[in-house]
Amino acid sequence: DAEITQSPRHKITETGRQVTLACHQTWNHNNMFWYRQDLGHGLRLIHYSYGVQDTNKGEVSDGYSVSRSNTEDLPLTLESAASSQTSVYFCASGDRGDTGELFFGEGSRLTVL
Amino acid sequence: ILNVEQSPQSLHVQEGDSTNFTCSFPSSNFYALHWYRWETAKSPEALFVMTLNGDEKKKGRISATLNTKEGYSYLYIKGSQPEDSATYLCAFQASGGATNKLIFGTGTLLAVQP
Repeated sequence: DAEITQSPRHKITETGRQVTLACHQTWNHNNMFWYRQDLGHGLRLIHYSYGVQDTNKGEVSDGYSVSRSNTEDLPLTLESAASSQTSVYFCASGDRGDTGELFFGEGSRLTVL
Repeated sequence: ILNVEQSPQSLHVQEGDSTNFTCSFPSSNFYALHWYRWETAKSPEALFVMTLNGDEKKKGRISATLNTKEGYSYLYIKGSQPEDSATYLCAFQASGGATNKLIFGTGTLLAVQP
């Protein structure tokens, strides 16, 4: 069965360190998204990609970057982790069909000390 | 910045009660309105995608309506069961193509007591 997986599921790091969260999907979807979930804010869009070599900033992109070298993967990098980036991160993918439905990974909980 | 609001923030009901909650969204540049169900410790799963004013969708005991002219959608659960306990998210998709870019509300947390 097709799926979308995130790793690691839990990570603790220190302020200033670089962190990369992996997202891998086997749906063969062109469109991939990273969201963060914080209390009182719901899901906020960080970055997204509509295909290989395409990346776009979302509403809370500062301090984050993504790259899309193939269809399956969209890693999210925190160049210099800050305590404000402690959150739960969700990756999602979708195709360009009429429904626009997103399929979500199980989330990665990141704690920055 | 597009604003998607949901109310109430949380809801506690007894098993068997029927309930409903609201999502409000911009009435301009509308493409689609999505509802997701998000159980604790799991990932959000799509319930409905609605695109036309007056749309009504139904899945078992759960149904949703859409008013694009005034910018709101209602989600109804008939005869709530404990397994309906979850956070219900709505998400607005602006016009510009079916590009899956969704703006989410903060959700309504539903707790159904047996």
